[in-house]
Amino acid sequence: GENVEQHPSTLSVQEGDSAVIKCTYSDSASNYFPWYKQELGKRPQLIIDIRSNVGEKKDQRIAVTLNKTAKHFSLHITETQPEDSAVYFCAASKKDSNYQLIWGAGTKLIIKP
Amino acid sequence: SQTIHQWPATLVQPVGSPLSLECTVEGTSNPNLYWYRQAAGRGLQLLFYSVGIGQISSEVPQNLSASRPQDRQFILSSKKLLLSDSGFYLCAWSTLLKGYTEAFFGQGTRLTVV
Repeated sequence: GENVEQHPSTLSVQEGDSAVIKCTYSDSASNYFPWYKQELGKRPQLIIDIRSNVGEKKDQRIAVTLNKTAKHFSLHITETQPEDSAVYFCAASKKDSNYQLIWGAGTKLIIKP
Repeated sequence: SQTIHQWPATLVQPVGSPLSLECTVEGTSNPNLYWYRQAAGRGLQLLFYSVGIGQISSEVPQNLSASRPQDRQFILSSKKLLLSDSGFYLCAWSTLLKGYTEAFFGQGTRLTVV
């Protein structure tokens, strides 16, 4: 079945710098790749997603890139701010599995003031 | 609009006691429903998912069970809690939207087994 690996498990960056979190997936049939943000003690919430027919998507300071050949996708956060501190999860899904989301293990992003 | 209700928000239970966590969804029909557990500082572990009434798939063997008595109701249960059952439990729903699915999470239940 599908397997999603996420790196790094913890990322510490200076406020204002950029942060990049990477995920790889195993099933080439996967076609939907969302990113969720979970603040401490709260529920995960979707922040951005990308489908397999698109290579890059941006929404203000966050962007996601997808390389289907290499089977990896990345989350990019520019001009990081303290409120970006959270755990970020990537996921992958495909039609054949009833679109069930397969999750990465999460990355704890720490923004240093 | 769709909403998801999960309760209680926090729960402290003694070892060996039963458990019942309830989750209901409003504003959508025939959603996929999920129960996840999250240990402190860890990732999302899928426990159960359901694609319809009475249809439950278990991902991890354990002393927990799930039921879906109604289309928009999902219940997580245990007859006897273990210390290792402590964690943050999240209910979620999803539905196909334009050929892909977005998951919406409930507020979560922080369970402490003592």
